Amino acid sequence: QSVLTQPPSVSAAPGQKVTISCSGSSSNIENNYVSWYQQLPGTAPKLLIYDNNKRPLGIPDRFSGSKSGTSATLGITGLQTGDEADYYCGTWDNSLSAGVFGGGTKLTVL
Amino acid sequence: QVQLQQWGAGLLKPSETLSLTCAVYGGSFSSYYWTWIRQAPGKGLEWIGEINHSGSTNYNPSLKSRVTISLDTSRNQFSLKLNSVTDADTAVYYCARGQCVVEPSRWFHPWGQGTLVTVSS
Repeated sequence: QSVLTQPPSVSAAPGQKVTISCSGSSSNIENNYVSWYQQLPGTAPKLLIYDNNKRPLGIPDRFSGSKSGTSATLGITGLQTGDEADYYCGTWDNSLSAGVFGGGTKLTVL
Repeated sequence: QVQLQQWGAGLLKPSETLSLTCAVYGGSFSSYYWTWIRQAPGKGLEWIGEINHSGSTNYNPSLKSRVTISLDTSRNQFSLKLNSVTDADTAVYYCARGQCVVEPSRWFHPWGQGTLVTVSS
């Protein structure tokens, strides 16, 4: 059981937009920055978004992040088949004094 | 371009000690949180713990009694030890560099390639 809650799966057609939610609490998301990771099959996770909405160098602006209260959202526009992957949100939990992640969301591009 | 390369034993028996090492190439050891994260087969990511350049550690409360993370600044390496392993510790273990602008928030980049550790009698 993950501390952060994500939908197990989302799907959309190529070229469309999808959003992935990440729900937490006042001990984690509400009071800390959120990051997002993409994990392609058989590979290590890759940082997509940090500090709620910042993109590292090399990450296209099709990927965006936002946060409101105890929830965060990853948005992906112009979906491509290469975006099929598992996506994870992460943050710090002040009560646990530990890093925490969501359970992951599998994106299918139909 | 910082790169992390990790290694360690991939097959353990129950009650043995898991030991992994991660080498940092191309970057400074200072001002970061050197982190271990694991992923059980078909499951999500689990944060194990971290160590900063001063040697200060934080551990996941669920693993704290069995985990030790240490640092060798002379070799630009950090290590994970997890004792008394069971089947539930079977996972891919990743090392990662944790970055932080506003405490205590962290993000993790880059990541090591991952090491599959299987616990089986």
